[in-house]
Amino acid sequence: ELKVEQNPLFLSMQEGKNYTIYCNYSTTSDRLYWYRQDPGKSLESLFVLLSNGAVKQEGRLMASLDTKARLSTLHITAAVHDLSATYFCAVDHGGATNKLIFGTGTLLAVQP
Amino acid sequence: GAVVSQHPSRVICKSGTSVKIECRSLDFQATTMFWYRQFPKQSLMLMATSNEGSKATYEQGVEKDKFLINHASLTLSTLTVTSAHPEDSSFYICSAIAVWKNTEAFFGQGTRLTVV
Repeated sequence: ELKVEQNPLFLSMQEGKNYTIYCNYSTTSDRLYWYRQDPGKSLESLFVLLSNGAVKQEGRLMASLDTKARLSTLHITAAVHDLSATYFCAVDHGGATNKLIFGTGTLLAVQP
Repeated sequence: GAVVSQHPSRVICKSGTSVKIECRSLDFQATTMFWYRQFPKQSLMLMATSNEGSKATYEQGVEKDKFLINHASLTLSTLTVTSAHPEDSSFYICSAIAVWKNTEAFFGQGTRLTVV
């Protein structure tokens, strides 16, 4: 059974600081996704990582994937308040089924 | 872009009644749609996989008679919560996989169900 774990579960950080959210998963998969969720809203797609070593960047966020270590990271650079949200990673259950198993989520609060 | 629309966005119903939630892919055909539920401050849990023209596949622990899924066309899947109870109150989200881009799921805006 595929399990996806994120840490930390809650992250309070100051504006301007850097931090990394980690996503570990238990079985082999080459597809990993990062999403953002604002309170009361659905998911906003951030990154699609489809191969080992994939690295993608958008603004202050950068995501990477190491399929051998079964680990993905979401790095936040110089955080701003607007990044406050819950971040989820999700792993494709069967490699290419698009059946996603979500991580536990990381609630990010960026303090001014 | 690929747009997935869910309706209604919010619904309040009485215990014992049934509620239908629609998930439509507006500008693309979806080979597969998925249904998730999310309790407050928790992650998304996959409930079932919906394929057009065939029976849905439910995840372990999800009652298929309680959560009826119909996928009548390549652009519409419906989830009906039958004989709803307060413990069914949750945020339900669908996703759809485009025929032309099977590497990414597109999510609906979600439906907040409250059973009173």
